[in-house]
Amino acid sequence: AQKITQTQPGMFVQEKEAVTLDCTYDTSDQSYGLFWYKQPSSGEMIFLIYQGSYDEQNATEGRYSLNFQKARKSANLVISASQLGDSAMYFCAMREGLGANNLFFGTGTRLTVIP
Amino acid sequence: NAGVMQNPRHLVRRRGQEARLRCSPMKGHSHVYWYRQLPEEGLKFMVYLQKENIIDESGMPKERFSAEFPKEGPSILRIQQVVRGDSAAYFCASSQRQGQTNEKLFFGSGTQLSVL
Repeated sequence: AQKITQTQPGMFVQEKEAVTLDCTYDTSDQSYGLFWYKQPSSGEMIFLIYQGSYDEQNATEGRYSLNFQKARKSANLVISASQLGDSAMYFCAMREGLGANNLFFGTGTRLTVIP
Repeated sequence: NAGVMQNPRHLVRRRGQEARLRCSPMKGHSHVYWYRQLPEEGLKFMVYLQKENIIDESGMPKERFSAEFPKEGPSILRIQQVVRGDSAAYFCASSQRQGQTNEKLFFGSGTQLSVL
């Protein structure tokens, strides 16, 4: 089974609108961390936001928030007030358990912001 | 620039040649990770190293690929006798600590390897 599933290959959003990028995960560990990274066309991977499995509140970082629904094993990224510079690939990733070295990445969602 | 530095940004090799990719972690980071990204796919873990030690190479192909992180100098990902299927973007990441669930990885800009 895939550790991280991103079912939206591409998404479009109007500038200044909000958009939700979906991510579901699969793990039997109680302790895990969920990450979102942005990859613009220049190629670098930029860390956006983190959610721990024991965090009771949804993480927020500026215009980014993470809609964490533990029972559903989903960790959707919400971008508010979209900007043209938000056009990029977005990857959800997970680290399982304590002492784990690896981040498992999803296949990504390409977001295009329309002026 | 105190970020993760990778070079070269682009590397072209003919089949059968060797490719050497370099990565200098962020200042103060002693943990290095290598990932491979095929077109339109997510990153796939290859190897995790600390200074002078390979900690986890579960994602490395068994043949032709090797990695090192010497006491002095950058981490090197080496691909011998490259084939067309090795064409991909190779990303290096570093972190300050190991074993923490919330430890985020800082990535370099990647090396795009093209095998002719």
